[in-house]
Amino acid sequence: SYVLTQPPSVSVAPGKTARITCGGNNIGSKSVHWYQQKPGQAPVLVIYYDSDRPSGIPERFSGSNSGNTATLTISRVEAGDEADYYCQVWDSSSDWVFGGGTKLTVL
Amino acid sequence: EVQLVETGGGLIQPGGSLRLSCAASGFTVSSNYMSWVRQAPGKGLEWVSVIYSGGSTYYADSVKGRFTISRDNSKNTLYLQMNSLRAEDTAVYYCARGQWLAEYWGQGTLVTVSS
Repeated sequence: SYVLTQPPSVSVAPGKTARITCGGNNIGSKSVHWYQQKPGQAPVLVIYYDSDRPSGIPERFSGSNSGNTATLTISRVEAGDEADYYCQVWDSSSDWVFGGGTKLTVL
Repeated sequence: EVQLVETGGGLIQPGGSLRLSCAASGFTVSSNYMSWVRQAPGKGLEWVSVIYSGGSTYYADSVKGRFTISRDNSKNTLYLQMNSLRAEDTAVYYCARGQWLAEYWGQGTLVTVSS
């Protein structure tokens, strides 16, 4: 089955840029989606099809995908961005596949 | 407005059964791909099952043969019948709409399997 690998944690100072990676074998050939989950809440889609933003998601959130790594980039990080972030792809062998999640800490 | 509301969670003994419901509004369940995703306490997201708009169903290996996904078109509701429950099935269960991705999520319902 397809495996997605994320760093367990990323820390960033307010106003700086956070980059959260999602590794997978030739992930660049797949569409990657990203979710934000705050404590006690359901996940929320923040990036879909590698780099598209749903309405209501700030332009500070962007995504890219190439080779074996997809990246979620959060510019001008705010305290409210502190959350767990999950990448996800669709795979024919196991439908939705999620990465293990990355805890973003705003210092 | 799209809304998904899960109910049916609770405390159940190992080996027991439980049925989760996901009531949808703002769209038609039968015209969409609908999934269940779970999250064990302090852990990440795990896809559980999907029902396609055409009716085909698929399951994660961890629940195959024990869980059954279904829908009631007249009630616009998605279900997850869970049998032979194990401690490792303890999780918040979310229903979600979408084919290639989860466009919308419910708020989740907690299932605790414990004696």
